[in-house]
Amino acid sequence: DSGVTQTPKHLITATGQRVTLRCSPRSGDLSVYWYQQSLDQGLQFLIHYYNGEERAKGNILERFSAQQFPDLHSELNLSSLELGDSALYFCASSVEWALTLTNTEAFFGQGTRLTVV
Amino acid sequence: TQLLEQSPQFLSIQEGENLTVYCNSSSVFSSLQWYRQEPGEGPVLLVTVVTGGEVKKLKRLTFQFGDARKDSSLHITAAQPGDTGLYLCAGESSGGSNYKLTFGKGTLLTVNP
Repeated sequence: DSGVTQTPKHLITATGQRVTLRCSPRSGDLSVYWYQQSLDQGLQFLIHYYNGEERAKGNILERFSAQQFPDLHSELNLSSLELGDSALYFCASSVEWALTLTNTEAFFGQGTRLTVV
Repeated sequence: TQLLEQSPQFLSIQEGENLTVYCNSSSVFSSLQWYRQEPGEGPVLLVTVVTGGEVKKLKRLTFQFGDARKDSSLHITAAQPGDTGLYLCAGESSGGSNYKLTFGKGTLLTVNP
């Protein structure tokens, strides 16, 4: 158990719909990262938040948005869903905004498997 | 765009064999990490290498960071079925406040008994 909690574990929804994925980081971790994993693209970095503020953006579509709340949990919102959005969505957390600052690691949750039908 | 190329993409070997997987990039990273991911789980960190030329050993696993900090290799000695999984390398980079951890697509290793 990494200490990172993601809900729900599985989600099946129709095209055009909107869903919210939730992530609770490990206790004490200020950074939250979101990744999308698909068979053809591998693990793609979406966005990084540190202590409530957006730190970096990766290959995140405009239909997707995220935020980190004062209690440090994070939500990833996916809207106008398309079949191609079906993937595993991972959240990871770490203590600092850069792993080498504290010689630490990013801890991953078990992911949310999103299926768009 | 920083890319990490991992090779081979798939590897199937017999128990007891040795293997090496590679992670290459044209970009320089401040550190490079190796993760293993099992089905239905998130990636789990194996090791972080920071210094160019650094070699780290974790039991039967040997990790090396290239001198120029652009590439890395993972060597497994006497592989066991428990080593089966997706091995991912990830490069850490930061430009000012823009911090990223970029992953390769991984090497899917199967060790047959």
